[in-house]
Amino acid sequence: GEDVEQSLFLSVREGDSSVINCTYTDSSSTYLYWYKQEPGAGLQLLTYIFSNMDMKQDQRLTVLLNKKDKHLSLRIADTQTGDSAIYFCAEIMTGGYQKVTFGTGTKLQVIP
Amino acid sequence: DVKVTQSSRYLVKRTGEKVFLECVQDMDHENMFWYRQDPGLGLRLIYFSYDVKMKEKGDIPEGYSVSREKKERFSLILESASTNQTSMYLCASSFLSSGGRNEQFFGPGTRLTVL
Repeated sequence: GEDVEQSLFLSVREGDSSVINCTYTDSSSTYLYWYKQEPGAGLQLLTYIFSNMDMKQDQRLTVLLNKKDKHLSLRIADTQTGDSAIYFCAEIMTGGYQKVTFGTGTKLQVIP
Repeated sequence: DVKVTQSSRYLVKRTGEKVFLECVQDMDHENMFWYRQDPGLGLRLIYFSYDVKMKEKGDIPEGYSVSREKKERFSLILESASTNQTSMYLCASSFLSSGGRNEQFFGPGTRLTVL
């Protein structure tokens, strides 16, 4: 199947690090993404990683990719209340029109 | 900035009504998509289009149809709304590219309630 799985909820204290995990299924995925959805809004691309990379860092965000285990994670350092949102991982399938499959989403709650 | 707009933020309809959800993008994107978002299920692709008048079924097309008469506009149609179609509907668009990162740009969503 083409399931992309995430845990549904994560709660962290302001200032701590958050780690959101994702497992995907297509070993030939070219890009893997993290999208953020703030309350009442659509999704917005947060960051992405190309499949030949192990890690990507972008300010407070670190993406780790373990291709052997098909595991993707998003670490947010110094989590702020403005980081409260739903985070979706997604993979792009190769071939055809390049279908993007989204995960179930992880709701991050940041406690002040 | 890319802008994807949806005709309504909130919509309430009755069972059996015909419902139109409109989506417009202003970046000349070839691809347009309709998803529904339900708690615990993430985003599920209903239909997509990669060109004017072209459409392809996604993972859950049953009970829906689409129309793409102009490049910038993609409409989702519920021919006879049912209560199990109560959901958040998200439209997205992207460039047609092979090998590229293929970022999708999303509209704000339409929360549809079918009574």
